[in-house]
Amino acid sequence: GAVVSQHPSRVICKSGTSVKIECRSLDFQATTMFWYRQFPKQSLMLMATSNEGSKATYEQGVEKDKFLINHASLTLSTLTVTSAHPEDSSFYICSARGAWGDPDTQYFGPGTRLTVL
Amino acid sequence: AQSVTQLDSQVPVFEEAPVELRCNYSSSVSVYLFWYVQYPNQGLQLLLKYLSGSTLVKGINGFEAEFNKSQTSFHLRKPSVHISDTAEYFCAVTLNAGNMLTFGGGTRLMVKP
Repeated sequence: GAVVSQHPSRVICKSGTSVKIECRSLDFQATTMFWYRQFPKQSLMLMATSNEGSKATYEQGVEKDKFLINHASLTLSTLTVTSAHPEDSSFYICSARGAWGDPDTQYFGPGTRLTVL
Repeated sequence: AQSVTQLDSQVPVFEEAPVELRCNYSSSVSVYLFWYVQYPNQGLQLLLKYLSGSTLVKGINGFEAEFNKSQTSFHLRKPSVHISDTAEYFCAVTLNAGNMLTFGGGTRLMVKP
């Protein structure tokens, strides 16, 4: 149980294009989803927290107009990197927390590696 | 605000040897502590967590950790490692279980034959 998927697992795009990353909780309802980014050989940095049906809360220094987050349902959150640039290349990881089961734990997706040329 | 320090960025160890990965945290209030493992190009998998109760926590894959409030530490240990334990290990802390996590810098465990 408590499986989180991400799609795509890997994406390469040209500078200036927008990329959408999906995060799905497969077997539980995720009331809260988190988006992290991880640069090579570094730790995870929280970008934003999203609750179903409400606007995401962004961490300081994260541009909300560049990283659009939509948590439209209890099983799906999307992160759209708008007008991507090479410095946006990173490993993006989502996690989800459910209202039942084990609400004390975040379950992580497998990550999406974004490369912007 | 809370912070997490993993003192060792890399820990090389021979197979079947014991290992300890160190984690220290800083917080003015009570926290909840987690250890996650990340295999190459994958997301994070929960190894174990401390929320309350017994300070010795047992997790998956034979790992355990001990919460030491006086030393503000939550070191991860395994008595005998395997090649398959080679991975990146992250210690994390949160003020409210289930909410935003603050991660340490990670420790790369390299198990050699």
